[in-house]
Amino acid sequence: EPEVTQTPSHQVTQMGQEVILRCVPISNHLYFYWYRQILGQKVEFLVSFYNNEISEKSEIFDDQFSVERPDGSNFTLKIRSTKLEDSAMYFCASSEEATDTQYFGPGTRLTVL
Amino acid sequence: GENVEQHPSTLSVQEGDSAVIKCTYSDSASNYFPWYKQELGKGPQLIIDIRSNVGEKKDQRIAVTLNKTAKHFSLHITETQPEDSAVYFCAANDPGYSSASKIIFGSGTRLSIRP
Repeated sequence: EPEVTQTPSHQVTQMGQEVILRCVPISNHLYFYWYRQILGQKVEFLVSFYNNEISEKSEIFDDQFSVERPDGSNFTLKIRSTKLEDSAMYFCASSEEATDTQYFGPGTRLTVL
Repeated sequence: GENVEQHPSTLSVQEGDSAVIKCTYSDSASNYFPWYKQELGKGPQLIIDIRSNVGEKKDQRIAVTLNKTAKHFSLHITETQPEDSAVYFCAANDPGYSSASKIIFGSGTRLSIRP
């Protein structure tokens, strides 16, 4: 069964450094998402992406964040200058249609020291 | 925007008994309600979903009900087994204004199955 994959599974970085989290959505899906889950809290929407542009972003997704689909298979989330409060699990998701089921990847645990 | 409330936050049931998790939502425009199961260290896994044109859906031991008038929906797990132990999240779509419909999650229910 097709699945969303994410790399790395765990990323440790120093405050102020840039990180890039990578995702490979399910191949025939057209809508891509990033969500975040701070330890012990609910999953929060960050951004949605369709047709090579951002569809919607949350208040969390400020100028330090960016997304890109550099080729036909990858979808990346970049945090330009990490803060301590960016430490969380980051989940990528994809769906075939706008109102269709979203399938989540296994997540990347980001630890900012 | 949409807000999803979920309760209880923790639930412990005897193996073989049923478990019920309840959620409410605020935006009457929401029309898609998925339920996700999250095991330790893993991503949310879809277990069942329901759309607003139906009131109930069942898949083996799992069933979901939706009351659009009251804006609440519930997950029912019957004949619980140890492998059902996990955190369960209800969610609702937030159609908003964009072309992609984001998912708004509830706060989660930690379900423990006692042997």
